[in-house]
Amino acid sequence: DVKVTQSSRYLVKRTGEKVFLECVQDMDHENMFWYRQDPGLGLRLIYFSYDVKMKEKGDIPEGYSVSREKKERFSLILESASTNQTSMYLCASSIPGRYTYNSPLHFGNGTRLTVT
Amino acid sequence: DQQVKQNSPSLSVQEGRISILNCDYTNSMFDYFLWYKKYPAEGPTFLISISSIKDKNEDGRFTVFLNKSAKHLSLHIVPSQPGDSAVYFCAASDFNKFYFGSGTKLNVKP
Repeated sequence: DVKVTQSSRYLVKRTGEKVFLECVQDMDHENMFWYRQDPGLGLRLIYFSYDVKMKEKGDIPEGYSVSREKKERFSLILESASTNQTSMYLCASSIPGRYTYNSPLHFGNGTRLTVT
Repeated sequence: DQQVKQNSPSLSVQEGRISILNCDYTNSMFDYFLWYKKYPAEGPTFLISISSIKDKNEDGRFTVFLNKSAKHLSLHIVPSQPGDSAVYFCAASDFNKFYFGSGTKLNVKP
């Protein structure tokens, strides 16, 4: 069974701090994604990656960056955390291949980030 | 603007009855549709999917219907059980990305 592990369930950070959210998957998936979930807005894609060292912007990349140095690990970085980045962050992966057709996303349990 | 919309934020159904969750989309290039279920403090889990070349897909108590002309899909749960109480997200794929709706919170009353 696919396992996507997010390193922290809850995080509290201060405005202006640099924040790292880590995600590891154990199924050799090439595709990895970062979403945030907010009430009334559903899941919105921040960044995704199809391969090591490869990244593409999603719908709301502003204020975020990512790192994919190893295939199994995809990190989301908040360069200078702000209160409007308080949210639930969800990492996901999917089966190998350039395209995600017919390939469900497998999600981690999420990281609830609060920026004060 | 959201390309996938779930206009009902919540739905309450009696145990044993049918639950119908609806989803509308705007992009005719979407070729694959999925439903996810999410419990509090957990990540979404994949429930059922349908390709754009089909109009119905069934898996046990769960059936997804796709009406391409109306750009509408629905999830039917029959019979509904209290354990089905969760937030349901519909999603659509345009070949390399997934777009999610805002979710519908289903409450199945015993």
